[in-house]
Amino acid sequence: AQSVSQHNHHVILSEAASLELGCNYSYGGTVNLFWYVQYPGQHLQLLLKYFSGDPLVKGIKGFEAEFIKSKFSFNLRKPSVQWSDTAEYFCAVSSSNTGKLIFGQGTTLQVKP
Amino acid sequence: NAGVTQTPKFQVLKTGQSMTLQCAQDMNHEYMSWYRQDPGMGLRLIHYSVGAGITDQGEVPNGYNVSRSTTEDFPLRLLSAAPSQTSVYFCASSYSLGQPNGGELFFGEGSRLTVL
Repeated sequence: AQSVSQHNHHVILSEAASLELGCNYSYGGTVNLFWYVQYPGQHLQLLLKYFSGDPLVKGIKGFEAEFIKSKFSFNLRKPSVQWSDTAEYFCAVSSSNTGKLIFGQGTTLQVKP
Repeated sequence: NAGVTQTPKFQVLKTGQSMTLQCAQDMNHEYMSWYRQDPGMGLRLIHYSVGAGITDQGEVPNGYNVSRSTTEDFPLRLLSAAPSQTSVYFCASSYSLGQPNGGELFFGEGSRLTVL
């Protein structure tokens, strides 16, 4: 069955610190990978997505993610976080075979000014 | 653009009552889905549809029904509400999950449901 696991449930960083959020998925076929962000009181919005090609994808607001097929991973990174990055982050996976999009449990990021 | 419209935004039910959460999108999206969001559990897929007349179960379908008679509408029915169904429900649509120019989900504003 298709599943997504996010290792960190709650991350606390100071401004300017570097960020890496882990995401692993379980599915043997071809997948499309996403990171979404949910700011307090808002609904989810897309940060970045990977379909094919260069495994290092860049998204909005300075975020990037790397797809490592051998590790079934799609970790999210940002070199220097800001207080405004405080939000909940969700990794998601879809496959053309199953036709559905599954989310991970989410990681709450708190950035201290 | 209206995007994805969900109604109602808030609802309180008693155990055993039934209700329908409405979802409509005006973007001609093929893919529509319902998720529930609970603290610490992320978003869990309830049901989804890849086109009119086609629906399928997600991760947590029990206690919910859906139908997709038109491209625009995808209502979610709670047959007999239970306290475990207290949650925030999101409807989301996408042009096409499997295509590079698709995949991005557009979310409604959510419906907060409390079952007493």
